Amino acid sequence: GAGVSQSPSNKVTEKGKDVELRCDPISGHTALYWYRQSLGQGLEFLIYFQGNSAPDKSGLPSDRFSAERTGGSVSTLTIQRTQQEDSAVYLCASSPHISGSTDTQYFGPGTRLTVL
Amino acid sequence: GNSVTQMEGPVTLSEEAFLTINCTYTATGYPSLFWYVQYPGEGLQLLLKATKADDKGSNKGFEATYRKETTSFHLEKGSVQVSDSAVYFCALSRMTTDSWGKLQFGAGTQVVVTP
Repeated sequence: GAGVSQSPSNKVTEKGKDVELRCDPISGHTALYWYRQSLGQGLEFLIYFQGNSAPDKSGLPSDRFSAERTGGSVSTLTIQRTQQEDSAVYLCASSPHISGSTDTQYFGPGTRLTVL
Repeated sequence: GNSVTQMEGPVTLSEEAFLTINCTYTATGYPSLFWYVQYPGEGLQLLLKATKADDKGSNKGFEATYRKETTSFHLEKGSVQVSDSAVYFCALSRMTTDSWGKLQFGAGTQVVVTP
């Protein structure tokens, strides 16, 4: 079956513009995570969704970042008033359920964001 | 808080050499431990995992053993190939109401295998 897909694969934007990044998780996966991979910070957790529960937003770096997940499936990460330090690869991952800590997370190919 | 420390790269090896990438962790409780690999131009994919002490994860000739006494999860492969050139990430997760299974990654180790 299809894996996690993300779009766009690359995004170049000007400082101050808003961007939206999309993630389509594997069908049937109820848990969805966003991570960011940057040169200075490595791989860091941003936000977690599980079903219809309130998301864990503890990793979002500022209030310019927000995310939503519609219908328990597709998720959109929005960055408002982008800054150069937002340049990174944004990764989405999904996993089947939260029955235990053994669940494997399946990653998408990422969106490379460049803020000029 | 939880953290993962892994050896810095790049690690450069000749084909058929033995590979070890050290990984140690700090965590409360009993985390699950993972090795993810990122091949050039590709996304992160799970290489192997272990969920409790003394478990050994293995895949594609790679192995790692969950050592609680030394809080380590070192990755090994007996004979590397050029196709093993990639960046390897050690990670941990705990399924709690605070962490929800989110992965805590090490900085990554680039491995370059030459013919």
